[in-house]
Amino acid sequence: DAGVTQSPTHLIKTRGQQVTLRCSPKSGHDTVSWYQQALGQGPQFIFQYYEEEERQRGNFPDRFSGHQFPNYSSELNVNALLLGDSALYLCASSFGTSATDTQYFGPGTRLTVL
Amino acid sequence: GQQLNQSPQSMFIQEGEDVSMNCTSSSIFNTWLWYKQDPGEGPVLLIALYKAGELTSNGRLTAQFGITRKDSFLNISASIPSDVGIYFCAASGGSNYKLTFGKGTLLTVNP
Repeated sequence: DAGVTQSPTHLIKTRGQQVTLRCSPKSGHDTVSWYQQALGQGPQFIFQYYEEEERQRGNFPDRFSGHQFPNYSSELNVNALLLGDSALYLCASSFGTSATDTQYFGPGTRLTVL
Repeated sequence: GQQLNQSPQSMFIQEGEDVSMNCTSSSIFNTWLWYKQDPGEGPVLLIALYKAGELTSNGRLTAQFGITRKDSFLNISASIPSDVGIYFCAASGGSNYKLTFGKGTLLTVNP
């Protein structure tokens, strides 16, 4: 049973560029959430996708956008990259429509912005 | 906004000792979770708690969902070197689908 997978593992970009990160949820899961984790901090919620729609969004600017596909996989897009966007980006998947559904995390994508 | 106050920030213990860490909040939550994260990896779920007052064990780990729904603690008994890592509490509640995380507790175990 495959867990949550993310690609790529590492990514280096320069300021102003755009980036796309990908996530495949755990088998049987239909909900994908994205988190940003800065060094030495806990993960911060970016947004959650369910039934191909953004269900909830955290305090992140519109430069951060996402998409969920019919097979439940998801993409996170970040435009006009800033140095402060350097972080570990985590994808979490869950099943169900309840806010208490347990979220399982992938290994993350380490983004470095130069 | 909602935030979780996790303590201690770091712990240095000897192998075989017991460990306790906790999280508090001024907000009520319906679910409390404890994750462990190794460097460069994603958080791994250790224990999930869904009911106020619930006490749950997973091997040497025991966690409790506070009766006020505003706190939780995690105990690790008889620590071993592979317990080293960062432990995070997280919580969610009501119509809020996001997980709110604490800042983590860095655990170091000396053999």
